[in-house]
Amino acid sequence: QKEVEQNSGPLSVPEGAIASLNCTYSDRGSQSFFWYRQYSGKSPELIMFIYSNGDKEDGRFTAQLNKASQYVSLLIRDSQPSDSATYLCALTRGSTLGRLYFGRGTQLTVWP
Amino acid sequence: NAGVTQTPKFQVLKTGQSMTLQCAQDMNHNSMYWYRQDPGMGLRLIYYSASEGTTDKGEVPNGYNVSRLNKREFSLRLESAAPSQTSVYFCASSVVHPSYNEQFFGPGTRLTVL
Repeated sequence: QKEVEQNSGPLSVPEGAIASLNCTYSDRGSQSFFWYRQYSGKSPELIMFIYSNGDKEDGRFTAQLNKASQYVSLLIRDSQPSDSATYLCALTRGSTLGRLYFGRGTQLTVWP
Repeated sequence: NAGVTQTPKFQVLKTGQSMTLQCAQDMNHNSMYWYRQDPGMGLRLIYYSASEGTTDKGEVPNGYNVSRLNKREFSLRLESAAPSQTSVYFCASSVVHPSYNEQFFGPGTRLTVL
């Protein structure tokens, strides 16, 4: 089992809808969780991070973490066509603090 | 600030040729990383350097070598390129904190091995 699992998608939502992206992980020692956005042909950029159970909101983005169930999610409210990208889930583990472990990414398309 | 820079942006090699991918950062970060990205595979760590003078293998190190030349520069070398090394290569850097590790990525190098 890969350390970080994401639905490969593609996920397609209409403009204005809520897009929900999910990620599960296998190591209970995982500490911090990150969501990166990657536009086609570009490099990844960080949009959210979370390390405590619960919700964390930043504008239209909400990250949710449930360590007991070992999942982290990203909600995008009022989705826009400019949100169309691949979203990568990543985490750190206590034993290898500097490393990020990435999922394969979920491709999101927001159609007008 | 330029952030993380990579050279070259594109490269075509023949099987068996060697080359070095260059990476530099101007953010005074201690840690640097090399990833490869293949379609549908996400980012896979090749090597990383937690600090100047140290390097460690990542998930897919075979066929690669690295050098942490100084705090700013981290190079990736392919000694004898193979078609399986056709990929997009990203360099990244970060400051490592117990609960936070934002990695900043360079623009990538698109490598094709024929």
